[in-house]
Amino acid sequence: QVQLQESGPGLVKPSQTLSLTCTVSGGSITRGGDYWTWIRQHPGKGLEWIGYIYYSGTTYYNPSLKSRVTISADSSKNQFSLNLSSVTVADTAVYYCVRERADYGSAVDYWGQGTLVTVSS
Amino acid sequence: DIQMTQSPSSLSASVGDRVTITCRASQSISGYLNWYQQKPGKAPKFLIYAASNLQSGVPSRFSGSGSGTDFTLTISSLQPEDFATYYCQQSYNTPYTFGQGTKLEIK
Repeated sequence: QVQLQESGPGLVKPSQTLSLTCTVSGGSITRGGDYWTWIRQHPGKGLEWIGYIYYSGTTYYNPSLKSRVTISADSSKNQFSLNLSSVTVADTAVYYCVRERADYGSAVDYWGQGTLVTVSS
Repeated sequence: DIQMTQSPSSLSASVGDRVTITCRASQSISGYLNWYQQKPGKAPKFLIYAASNLQSGVPSRFSGSGSGTDFTLTISSLQPEDFATYYCQQSYNTPYTFGQGTKLEIK
């Protein structure tokens, strides 16, 4: 059973960088066929796909956020991270780290519990 | 980006009812369509992948169908625990995109 857990500050000031880490247990982020992804959900709204990192180090970012997003991984800690720079109040959301599985057509089979990040001065 | 449109946006139904939720893609996505269920304050739960494949452990009253641009999620006999918001997602082209959600409420 794969488990994912987000961690990081719950409050970030405007113009600063939002940084979150996802710790994965029960599975390795170096396993081929799995994409380690960040998704966010604005309060009371739908889901927005941010981007992923593959075990090879390949990343893909949503073009709408690409200029501000970096996703990286630390295989020694079985973690992957999200950095979102120059945040505004519009970046206030619940952030989920998830696993997308190629065997399932890149559907998300495991979700973290989510962490609310509020952007406010 | 591929736009996903769900209908209806909300739906009132009773326990035992059969309900269908529709998801339409702005272009063909073959069968790369997934469904999730979300309850308040919780992360979404994976239900169906590739349009019609039930994830392990998901009750058989859930089913999915469709291909190309038009897809449906059907719950054959609503149970109390099924009242939630349902999202479709295309995983055909990055960035993967979600529908706006369908809130299923108790009548």
